[in-house]
Amino acid sequence: ETGVTQTPRHLVMGMTNKKSLKCEQHLGHNAMYWYKQSAKKPLELMFVYNFKEQTENNSVPSRFSPECPNSSHLFLHLHTLQPEDSALYLCASSQGQIISGNTIYFGEGSWLTVV
Amino acid sequence: GDSVTQMEGPVTLSEEAFLTINCTYTATGYPSLFWYVQYPGEGLQLLLKATKADDKGSNKGFEATYRKETTSFHLEKGSVQVSDSAVYFCALLSQGAQKLVFGQGTRLTINP
Repeated sequence: ETGVTQTPRHLVMGMTNKKSLKCEQHLGHNAMYWYKQSAKKPLELMFVYNFKEQTENNSVPSRFSPECPNSSHLFLHLHTLQPEDSALYLCASSQGQIISGNTIYFGEGSWLTVV
Repeated sequence: GDSVTQMEGPVTLSEEAFLTINCTYTATGYPSLFWYVQYPGEGLQLLLKATKADDKGSNKGFEATYRKETTSFHLEKGSVQVSDSAVYFCALLSQGAQKLVFGQGTRLTINP
């Protein structure tokens, strides 16, 4: 248990569906992240939020829409996805920015399959 | 840009064997280096880190030494256990950067 909880753990959706992934951290951190983990590829950083403000969008397609209503919750809204978007989506958090050497804590991930 | 290259897996060893997983990096300046481990069905966990040249990170019997001259951060363990079966990720954090750059991961399987 890392203190970062992701739901759902598994999601299957059609290309025309709209769904959301949820992340909640119980660590009192103020920075949150979405990463994408595809088979045989490096983890890709998607978005970074600091104190609820988005500070990085790593050229992510607009069919992925993040939302950070407060420092403890992070959502990833999904719509009109493609089969190649099937992957493990990892949420993470840190106390302050990781450039300060703060450790980043990952959730267990949400497995997404787009059919 | 910054990048991390890990040895391709999967790697399969017998229990008590010696483990090395190679990791090399490309970065400007003096990055911090990390190894993360992902056990089956779980998220990534920090295994060890080193923040400057010649530092040695260690945890749970694993070690890695930050080699500036060879731009490497190889992971080693003298005697692996079945419970070490997992995916291992090497990563770097560039000076002044907010994001970790990961390698593609190396899947390790230890047979009894």
